[in-house]
Amino acid sequence: AQTVTQSQPEMSVQEAETVTLSCTYDTSESDYYLFWYKQPPSRQMILVIRQEAYKQQNATENRFSVNFQKAAKSFSLKISDSQLGDAAMYFCAYILVGSARQLTFGSGTQLTVLP
Amino acid sequence: EPEVTQTPSHQVTQMGQEVILRCVPISNHLYFYWYRQILGQKVEFLVSFYNNEISEKSEIFDDQFSVERPDGSNFTLKIRSTKLEDSAMYFCASTNRDSGNTIYFGEGSWLTVV
Repeated sequence: AQTVTQSQPEMSVQEAETVTLSCTYDTSESDYYLFWYKQPPSRQMILVIRQEAYKQQNATENRFSVNFQKAAKSFSLKISDSQLGDAAMYFCAYILVGSARQLTFGSGTQLTVLP
Repeated sequence: EPEVTQTPSHQVTQMGQEVILRCVPISNHLYFYWYRQILGQKVEFLVSFYNNEISEKSEIFDDQFSVERPDGSNFTLKIRSTKLEDSAMYFCASTNRDSGNTIYFGEGSWLTVV
C-alpha cells in the first residue's frame, strides 16, 4: 500500500523562529512528485511547495524549503522566520508521474505560531 | 492566476436528498478530481476524470456518487441520496501535464447533511 506518514499531529513555533515538519512516504515507484499543502482555518487547500523526485536539489519557495531524502523516503518542510499567517494544518502528499493518478495525503500536522 | 472555482461554498441538505456540487476547473486542464475531507480527518480521493470518463475511483465512490462534465467548463459531483456520513468538505481539483502533475484545488464545498 502506498502511504504517507506525518508523525507530528501538532507542532508549535515562536514567531520569527524556524520549525520543521516531518513526512515519510512509502511507494515502490521511482518517479513521483511530492507536495506540501497548507490548509488554514478557511479550509482551502493551498500549495506551498513541490519537489520532483528525480531532482536532487531541494526545492525552496521564499521562507519554505524542503529536505528531500529519496533513499530514506523522507520529505520534511522547513519554515523559516515563522509568521502568524503560517498557522494552519500542513499536509504532505505525493503523486506518481506518468498518469493522472491521485494524490496520496498524510494525516496532517497542525502548526500553531505563538506571538 | 487561474484558479479552480466551486459552488456552493456551503450547503445544508436533509438526509436522503440529492445534492449537486459544481466546479469550474482551470481552463486548459484536462484531468479533474473530487476529494473529500471529513472534519478532522485527512483528505481522501474520490474520483478522477479524463477524456470524458472516469479514470479511477476509490471505494468511497459507490453507486450513490456520480460525476459529469455537462459542458466544456463545468465538472459536477452528484450525491443521489445523501447520508449523515456524507457531511464533509468536498474539494474539486484539476491538473495537466504542463503543470507537472501539480494538482490545484478549489476552495471547497462544505456539505452538511441533517
